[in-house]
Amino acid sequence: SQQGEEDPQALSIQEGENATMNCSYKTSINNLQWYRQNSGRGLVHLILIRSNEREKHSGRLRVTLDTSKKSSSLLITASRAADTASYFCATAFTTSYDKVIFGPGTSLSVIP
Amino acid sequence: DGGITQSPKYLFRKEGQNVTLSCEQNLNHDAMYWYRQDPGQGLRLIYYSQIVNDFQKGDIAEGYSVSREKKESFPLTVTSAQKNPTAFYLCASSKPRSATGKNYGYTFGSGTRLTVV
Repeated sequence: SQQGEEDPQALSIQEGENATMNCSYKTSINNLQWYRQNSGRGLVHLILIRSNEREKHSGRLRVTLDTSKKSSSLLITASRAADTASYFCATAFTTSYDKVIFGPGTSLSVIP
Repeated sequence: DGGITQSPKYLFRKEGQNVTLSCEQNLNHDAMYWYRQDPGQGLRLIYYSQIVNDFQKGDIAEGYSVSREKKESFPLTVTSAQKNPTAFYLCASSKPRSATGKNYGYTFGSGTRLTVV
């Protein structure tokens, strides 16, 4: 069964607005990662947050992690048309190796 | 610049044929992975390898085979036993967790789109 599930499945916003995507998971994790995928391309790693961290920032990206609720959110502030892509959360279990499981993704459309 | 190179970008397979997808990395990463992505879906793990000459089945290994003879290379063969091979295939690599427990994200190639004709 899938470990992570993103919500919503699709999101459409105007340029300049903020975009928020959520990820829920089922079992204990070591870390949670967010990736972006432009159409027909590979995934690009955005941010990794460890289970003992609550919030991380990277440029216009803000990721939060609530281990008690088994959920994470990705916030993109002041969105741009170039942010149009699919966003995936990936969870890494508390194991000795770094196999991760990807959710089905959120498709974000930023309208100019 | 370091990175992962997947080739070819597009591949067409006839029924009953085996085809091999190439994945090469010059990042000096120990771990390498193969994922399959179907339209509108997430990634499903086919095989992964933590070190040279060792690899493990992922969630959907049936009909696929891999080898890891060199650290830099992790080719994937889609055999005729794979009944529905049309998909987008992604190769990734990662550094092992550090001695202090720091994790690193995956670096992905640009993918190979396989179509059965």
